[in-house]
Amino acid sequence: ELKVEQNPLFLSMQEGKNYTIYCNYSTTSDRLYWYRQDPGKSLESLFVLLSNGAVKQEGRLMASLDTKARLSTLHITAAVHDLSATYFCAVADYGGSQGNLIFGKGTKLSVKP
Amino acid sequence: DTEVTQTPKHLVMGMTNKKSLKCEQHMGHRAMYWYKQKAKKPPELMFVYSYEKLSINESVPSRFSPECPNSSLLNLHLHALQPEDSALYLCASSPRGLAGVVYTGELFFGEGSRLTVL
Repeated sequence: ELKVEQNPLFLSMQEGKNYTIYCNYSTTSDRLYWYRQDPGKSLESLFVLLSNGAVKQEGRLMASLDTKARLSTLHITAAVHDLSATYFCAVADYGGSQGNLIFGKGTKLSVKP
Repeated sequence: DTEVTQTPKHLVMGMTNKKSLKCEQHMGHRAMYWYKQKAKKPPELMFVYSYEKLSINESVPSRFSPECPNSSLLNLHLHALQPEDSALYLCASSPRGLAGVVYTGELFFGEGSRLTVL
């Protein structure tokens, strides 16, 4: 059974600082997704990582995937208040629910002035 | 702007009511999904339709009944719900179906329908 663990679950940052969110998963998969969710809103797709070593960047966010270590990171550079949201990683499950995405518990990010 | 449209955005219903949630996409996606999300929790998969056939039912109680009338529409019929069913119900679609086709697509989520059961 595929399990996805994110850490930290809560992150309070100051504006201008850097930080990394980690996403570990338990069984083989080569497709990992990062989503952002604002309170009361739906999930917005941020990054699609489809191969080992994939790195994608958008603004102050950069995501990477290491399929051998079963690890993805979401790095935040020089955080700003607008980045405050909950971030989910999701991993494609080729096992029991083929094609399903298994979500991590989410990281609630709060960026303070 | 999302290209997956869900209606209604908010729904309040009693335990004896029958209601439906609707989802529509015009991106030509062949897989459509219902997720349930409780507050401060990740989304949980309920159902997947692939090429308009039910592919996955994650042991959801029968008071939830999905329907896929065509490749663009997905409904979730609700009957005799319990207060603990109150949640945000998210519809999503993806470009590829599950019928033996390698899953490559990301999920595109609608805005969600917030359901309150009294």
